[in-house]
Amino acid sequence: EVQLVESGGGLIQPGGSLRLSCAVSGFTVSTNYMSWVRQAPGKGLEWVSSIHDDGSTIHYADSVKGRFTISRDNTKNTLSLQMNSLRAEDTAVYFCVRQAAGFDYWGQGTLVTVSS
Amino acid sequence: DIQMTQSPSTLSASIGDRVTITCRASQSVSSWLAWYQQKPGKAPKLLIYKASNLQGGVPSRFSAFGAGTDFTLTISGLQPDDFAIYYCQQYNYYPYTFGQGTKLEIK
Repeated sequence: EVQLVESGGGLIQPGGSLRLSCAVSGFTVSTNYMSWVRQAPGKGLEWVSSIHDDGSTIHYADSVKGRFTISRDNTKNTLSLQMNSLRAEDTAVYFCVRQAAGFDYWGQGTLVTVSS
Repeated sequence: DIQMTQSPSTLSASIGDRVTITCRASQSVSSWLAWYQQKPGKAPKLLIYKASNLQGGVPSRFSAFGAGTDFTLTISGLQPDDFAIYYCQQYNYYPYTFGQGTKLEIK
């Protein structure tokens, strides 16, 4: 059974840092494209970042470029998102997603709230 | 960036109705388009990939069509479980972009 379980969300002050993790079971992270997608409260979906199976092809949304870093740990079969210089507009539920033909597997999401 | 525009934003319909949601891309995305269904407090669920391919386990009352810039999602014979928000997404070019969503509500 495929499972993606995010963790690491919480309340953080503006300018702070947070690291999200996504533990994956049922498939191998390193042989798939993986992404983060976020959804601000009451809003639509926004793609954040993707890492390809080669591990070196990485893309970011302009809104997070230079502040967020996507990575993976092949030994632990996990995906991570390091988020620095957080802003109020980064407040959202963050979903870990497998990118195949479309985004076919999603985690349950972890809420990040950036507020003083 | 490619802008995805869905219409309508809200759709009121009854059980058994046939409804169609439209998604238009600001430039061609070929057939690299997906449709998702999202219910409150849940992660989105992939319904359709590559414009017209039904994801495994998705009921056959869902169908989709299109290529280039114009796409449609049709639900034939609405069921109570279908009332949700629907999003289209292009995955032809980064940054991947979603439509703003169509809320399908019970009339």
